[in-house]
Amino acid sequence: NAGVTQTPKFRVLKTGQSMTLLCAQDMNHEYMYWYRQDPGMGLRLIHYSVGEGTTAKGEVPDGYNVSRLKKQNFLLGLESAAPSQTSVYFCASSYSRTGASGSNQPQHFGDGTRLSIL
Amino acid sequence: GQSLEQPSEVTAVEGAIVQINCTYQTSGFYGLSWYQQHDGGAPTFLSYNALDGLEETGRFSSFLSRSDSYGYLLLQELQMKDSASYFCAVGGGNKLTFGTGTQLKVEL
Repeated sequence: NAGVTQTPKFRVLKTGQSMTLLCAQDMNHEYMYWYRQDPGMGLRLIHYSVGEGTTAKGEVPDGYNVSRLKKQNFLLGLESAAPSQTSVYFCASSYSRTGASGSNQPQHFGDGTRLSIL
Repeated sequence: GQSLEQPSEVTAVEGAIVQINCTYQTSGFYGLSWYQQHDGGAPTFLSYNALDGLEETGRFSSFLSRSDSYGYLLLQELQMKDSASYFCAVGGGNKLTFGTGTQLKVEL
């Protein structure tokens, strides 16, 4: 069982370069999320998707774009990387809305992508 | 909006009991969750409370008081492997909002 797989695991970019982070899940989950984690800041939601073909903004969406063309994949794009986007990026998925009808739908996380922008 | 507060760091000795508190302010509430994250690893789900009271899962318990907007994670019989960061998170709408995390250090 792979669960949630993120590629790449590490990447170094120069300011202004673009790249795409890939997240794939094999649990048939409807909901997918992209977070960034910086020291002392916890996990902050960038964008999320509630199903194939849908996307929505989270807490810190500026400078990022996402696409959910297939249910199992959620892509995060950086069009013009900036040093402020140096971070660890986590993808997560859940079967349905967390807390829907009072039921627990935990999020399952990938191992993260460590991105440095010089 | 939603905001959560939890202590930044807690230290305890092996075999002891430790409590990590979390207070929250939220415009919509769908339960309080707890996640564990070891250094360099991915967050993993620990527990969830939708209603007031105590939920127990092995050595870990989680408590919620919705009237006080307060919850805690209780870890018993601490082991060295429990050294990690612990995040509380509130559900609202389609997403979770995470606290900034509490780093637990377990000492011999």
